[in-house]
Formats: sequence, C-alpha cells, structure tokens
Amino acid sequence: EDQVTQSPEALRLQEGESSSLNCSYTVSGLRGLFWYRQDPGKGPEFLFTLYSAGEEKEKERLKATLTKKESFLHITAPKPEDSATYLCAVQPHSGTYKYIFGTGTRLKVLA
Amino acid sequence: GAGVSQSPSNKVTEKGKDVELRCDPISGHTALYWYRQSLGQGLEFLIYFQGNSAPDKSGLPSDRFSAERTGGSVSTLTIQRTQQEDSAVYLCASAASGPNSPLHFGNGTRLTVT
Repeated sequence: EDQVTQSPEALRLQEGESSSLNCSYTVSGLRGLFWYRQDPGKGPEFLFTLYSAGEEKEKERLKATLTKKESFLHITAPKPEDSATYLCAVQPHSGTYKYIFGTGTRLKVLA
Repeated sequence: GAGVSQSPSNKVTEKGKDVELRCDPISGHTALYWYRQSLGQGLEFLIYFQGNSAPDKSGLPSDRFSAERTGGSVSTLTIQRTQQEDSAVYLCASAASGPNSPLHFGNGTRLTVT
C-alpha cells in the first residue's frame, strides 16, 4: 500500500537553529514528491517538486533532498516567519492522478 | 495570475440543511480535486475531476456528498442533510495536465455544522 509518513509531528526551534524535517514514503514507483507549506487558515502553498533520487531544490532558507525512500526538508537559520505546517505528498506511477499526503510537521520558530 | 478561489470562506449551517461549496480553479487547469481537512488531521481525498468527468469519486464519505464540474472550470461540492461530523475545512486544488504537475490549493471553506 502506498504510504507517506512525516516526522517529527511537531518541532520547536530557536531562531537561527537549523534542522531537518523527514518524509518517508513507500510507493509502487515514484513519479514525483512534493513539498507544501500551510499557514493557519490557508490552503497548502506549493514549494518544491522532486523527481529522482539525488535531486535537490532550494528556495531561500529551505532545501529539499530526495533519496529512494525518503525526502528531507532542511531549514537553515530559520526565522519566526518560517513557522508553519510543512506537508509532503507523493505521486506514484500506478495512478498518475493520485497524490498521497503525509500528516505534516508543525514547525514553530521562536524569536 | 489568479489562484484557486473558493467560496464561501466560512459557512455555518444547522444540522440537516444542505450546503454548496464552490471552487474556481486556475484558468486552463484540467484537473480538479476536493480534499477535506479536519482539525489536526491530514488531507482526506474526496473526488478528482479531469475536465468535466469524475474518474474517481471513491473518497466521498457517503451518498449525501456529491460534486459536479461544468465547462471544465467551476466545481461545486454539495453536502445534503449535513451532520456535525461534516464540520471540517474543504479544500479545492487544481493542476495542469501532464505528469508531475503540482497541486495548487485554494484557501478552503471552513464548514461548521451546529
């Protein structure tokens, strides 16, 4: 069964304290892995797509990496405005329209 | 350009009443999805449209839920005889055609059934 697991469920960081969020997946062939940011009261906002193991994408303080079993979202020197829930989703080869979401990591960055 | 638009942003209704939720996708996006998000829960898939057709309705929780899409654009999710357990945020997303297209979400409709 296709599955996505995110850890930790919640993370508190001091401003400037770098860390990583994990997204582990089991799918019957990966078509794409997506990272989203969700602020309270808003819909998820698209951040990155990763397609193959070894790929990396960067945006400001965020860097996403991908292996054959998991993806990491690295946050370098975070700021309070990076506080949000970060969601991971995968699209398997078997169903090209399907997006399977994890339950997210709630990140709180303290000033 | 305009993103995905959902209306209303908030809806409070009495148990037993019907509600309609609207989604305006990004222009040109052929795929449209409805998800439900309950407090502290992940995204629950409801239904997927490709054009005006719904190849996958498997996520609709009961026959009280229905959805349609017209003109390959606007979609409406209807919940009949609402129950308290229907209270949640209903999110709509659209995607361009082709593989690996990311979903683009609206800000959702927060439904409260009293």
